[in-house]
Amino acid sequence: QVQLVESGGGVVQPGRSLRLSCAASGFRFSDYAMNWVRQAPGKGLEWVAVISYDASNEYYADSVKGRFSISRDNSKNTLYLQVNSLRTEDTAVYFCARGECSTSCPPDYWGQGTLVTVSS
Amino acid sequence: QSALTQPRSVSGSPGQSVTISCTGSSSDVGAYTYVSWYQHHPGKAPKLMLYDVDKRPSGIPDRFSGSRSGNTASLTISGLQAEDEADYYCCSYSIIYSILFGGGTKLTVL
Repeated sequence: QVQLVESGGGVVQPGRSLRLSCAASGFRFSDYAMNWVRQAPGKGLEWVAVISYDASNEYYADSVKGRFSISRDNSKNTLYLQVNSLRTEDTAVYFCARGECSTSCPPDYWGQGTLVTVSS
Repeated sequence: QSALTQPRSVSGSPGQSVTISCTGSSSDVGAYTYVSWYQHHPGKAPKLMLYDVDKRPSGIPDRFSGSRSGNTASLTISGLQAEDEADYYCCSYSIIYSILFGGGTKLTVL
């Protein structure tokens, strides 16, 4: 069965960086687009970024463009999110989610999420 | 980056039907088949309930149905059950923003 397991969250000071990882199993990772979606405390789901199946295309939400970078290693079945210049408003649970297609499309399967807290 | 518009809350009694709307534009909901709905219990992973506007993944009961009219998609839950109480989100491909989520709707089963 499809499994997505995020890691790398934690408490970090404003302006610092973090790298989130998502280990995928149970499907052919290299066939699917992958997304990062976040949920701030008390707020709704916010799409963050998507990367196509072959990493040839990346798209970002305006709120993170220029600060976050999505990448993938198809040989390791792993998705990454490099988060730089963190702000307090980036505090959220970050979910890794498989796209239902190979390029840019809504997610179907989701991980349990990893919490990032930005605080001084 | 505008979110798709959903009602903040809906409610219904067990056995009744409720409908949650999701309004976007001709650049997203109204133009593409990539419209999905998720059920989210706090602290858990969101769960796909419908994809491609009206398709149900394996294991999702036919009490959950989807439709679209113009720029508005809808999720209807019939025969409400206590375990349906959760937050529901719509999501669409957008030619402008790539992926958009709705603001979420809290369903209360009275």
